[in-house]
Amino acid sequence: DTAVSQTPKYLVTQMGNDKSIKCEQNLGHDTMYWYKQDSKKFLKIMFSYNNKELIINETVPNRFSPKSPDKAHLNLHINSLELGDSAVYFCASSRSGRGSYEQYFGPGTRLTVT
Amino acid sequence: SQELEQSPQSLIVQEGKNLTINCTSSKTLYGLYWYKQKYGEGLIFLMMLQKGGEEKSHEKITAKLDEKKQQSSLHITASQPSHAGIYLCGADRGGGTSYGKLTFGQGTILTVHP
Repeated sequence: DTAVSQTPKYLVTQMGNDKSIKCEQNLGHDTMYWYKQDSKKFLKIMFSYNNKELIINETVPNRFSPKSPDKAHLNLHINSLELGDSAVYFCASSRSGRGSYEQYFGPGTRLTVT
Repeated sequence: SQELEQSPQSLIVQEGKNLTINCTSSKTLYGLYWYKQKYGEGLIFLMMLQKGGEEKSHEKITAKLDEKKQQSSLHITASQPSHAGIYLCGADRGGGTSYGKLTFGQGTILTVHP
C-alpha cells in the first residue's frame, strides 16, 4: 500500500550515460514533483506537473526531462549524466486547489555518477 | 542567501531532554510545513501551519507559527532516540494559489543519545 514509490532506489552510472527514474503515486493526487537533495542535504524543487502539464520548471539543465504519461506517474530522464548530478532525487505528490496541501514524498533515488 | 533559515544546523541531546528547532523566513509564509527525514528514506510529513499564531501537536511534537507568519518553531518534549533524524521546514510561497512550490530550509540534524 505504498503511497509514493520510486524506482530504482539506487543508481550508479558513468558520466555521459542516459538514465531514467520512475515515480508512481496511488493517492489520487493530481500534482507531482521532482526534488533534488544534494550532499549537504539541501532540498530543491526541480519540476512540478499538474494533470500531466508542466507548471514549475526551476532552472534545471535541459539534460533533465520530466515526463508524465498520466496523473499517477512522473518520470525523470537525464541525458549525458555529469558528476554534479550525483544526488538523491525525490518524487512527491499532492492535491491541488486553493490553499496549501501537504506533499507526500517517495523514498528517494540515490544517483551516483562516476 | 537562503529564503528559509533553520537553527540550529545540528543538535545533540540526551534522551528525555526537550529541544526546539527554529525556522525563519524573510518573507511571509502562506503555508509552513515540517518534515522529518531518516537516513536513506524519504520525507515524512509532520505538520502544516497556515494561520498566524497557529499551533499544532502530534504526540510529543509541537509546532507553532508566529503571528507575523515569518517564523516557526518545532518543539520536542522528552526526546527519544526515535526522534533522531533530519528535520526540514518547507514554505509554500504560492500565496494560496493552486500549486505548492515548496522551498526548504537546510535542515537540522537531530541526534538523541540514549
